[in-house]
Amino acid sequence: QSALTQPASVSASPGQSITISCTGTSSDLGGYNFVSWYHQLPGKAPKLILYDVSKRPSGVSSRFSGSKSGSTASLTISSLQVEDEADYYCSSYTTNRTWVFGGGTKLTVL
Amino acid sequence: QVTLRESGPAVVKPTQTLTLTCTLSGFSLNTPGMCVSWIRQSPGKALEWLARIDWNDDTYYSTSLLTRLTISKDTSENQVVLTLTNLAPVDSATYFCARINYDSHAYAFDYWGQGILVSVSS
Repeated sequence: QSALTQPASVSASPGQSITISCTGTSSDLGGYNFVSWYHQLPGKAPKLILYDVSKRPSGVSSRFSGSKSGSTASLTISSLQVEDEADYYCSSYTTNRTWVFGGGTKLTVL
Repeated sequence: QVTLRESGPAVVKPTQTLTLTCTLSGFSLNTPGMCVSWIRQSPGKALEWLARIDWNDDTYYSTSLLTRLTISKDTSENQVVLTLTNLAPVDSATYFCARINYDSHAYAFDYWGQGILVSVSS
């Protein structure tokens, strides 16, 4: 199972919005709405920020939103804050009843 | 309070077998809808899903590591064990265990352990 495709890095200034894309295939992203996104700080475990494409777990800011079209999912972060600087990973359930992750995107808030 | 904690050796020699334990707290793998996965991350690299075990003992593995992985659970100890055979330096990584609760966050990993760094070196 090949990894999902994410941009290696994105950057923006505080207050701006960014969108991170995540592209898969019909065997994963395109076949299910079981897309999730994770936020990871250096040396820490990932933290769930979105599941089922666009649902937020309790306690996650409404500045995080998600969408999906075909085999591409997107994470949008609005009103960027310095503390949003982290690595972001997408993940999808697959037809093999396994999971696949994206390569990760490093967000820099300038 | 849900927590997961990984334990195991920090250094393993090439060709040896790695055994990692994930100790669960705040939930039981006897509960329908619960499952636990292992996920690893090589230094500076992306996350890689390895294996999953469900409350009903169903197991699933990464197709690329299928022949080397075994996942099991000890319900009485509330633990999940992962073994990875025939280790090589490329298996050096931080290994995480993570929970899936189909009843709340569907197919997403809602709680993670802090991870355990394993180095494969002679």
